[in-house]
Amino acid sequence: EDQVTQSPEALRLQEGESSSLNCSYTVSGLRGLFWYRQDPGKGPEFLFTLYSAGEEKEKERLKATLTKKESFLHITAPKPEDSATYLCAVRYNSNSNSGYALNFGKGTSLLVTP
Amino acid sequence: DTGVSQDPRHKITKRGQNVTFRCDPISEHNRLYWYRQTLGQGPEFLTYFQNEAQLEKSRLLSDRFSAERPKGSFSTLEIQRTEQGDSAMYLCASSFSFEPQHFGDGTRLSIL
Repeated sequence: EDQVTQSPEALRLQEGESSSLNCSYTVSGLRGLFWYRQDPGKGPEFLFTLYSAGEEKEKERLKATLTKKESFLHITAPKPEDSATYLCAVRYNSNSNSGYALNFGKGTSLLVTP
Repeated sequence: DTGVSQDPRHKITKRGQNVTFRCDPISEHNRLYWYRQTLGQGPEFLTYFQNEAQLEKSRLLSDRFSAERPKGSFSTLEIQRTEQGDSAMYLCASSFSFEPQHFGDGTRLSIL
């Protein structure tokens, strides 16, 4: 059973067309929710960490929010250079998980066309 | 800017051969992680070091895989008797304590 589910799998936007990416999680004992950006052939690049429901973080055209069950990555007036795969990951404590590893979703592939 | 460095970037080998990858973390980071990523999937955790101690291994890390971090600096990941299913991108990340993990650009392994 997937613990982190991202939707949509792929998203195509026109330049300037705002939208949101979703990350839902089923783990308890959340120790942090992370957003990364990954360009083809590259490693994930850290964007945000969120720790508690109601928390928000912003960076340029990106804004991340967190509730008790999901996180949203809002993209305002995107540009073609925002095209990438956006990955969500959680870190959590449980009887079978030490809380060190990141558990990733499959990502949302975003394409922004001029 | 000295980020996480991985070598080689690409490795092509025949099935049954052994391969070794190297990761140089950000210098002040005490924690080092290895992940594996296949096409269309997010990275999957393999193992974790705090300084030189290997503290956690995923069930994905079969007996053919071994990782070391001598002296708590660089790390190596070795795969023995490679199989087709080992083809993937192997990513290394580092962090200071529970701060966010920063990733290298990975080693892409292709098994012929």
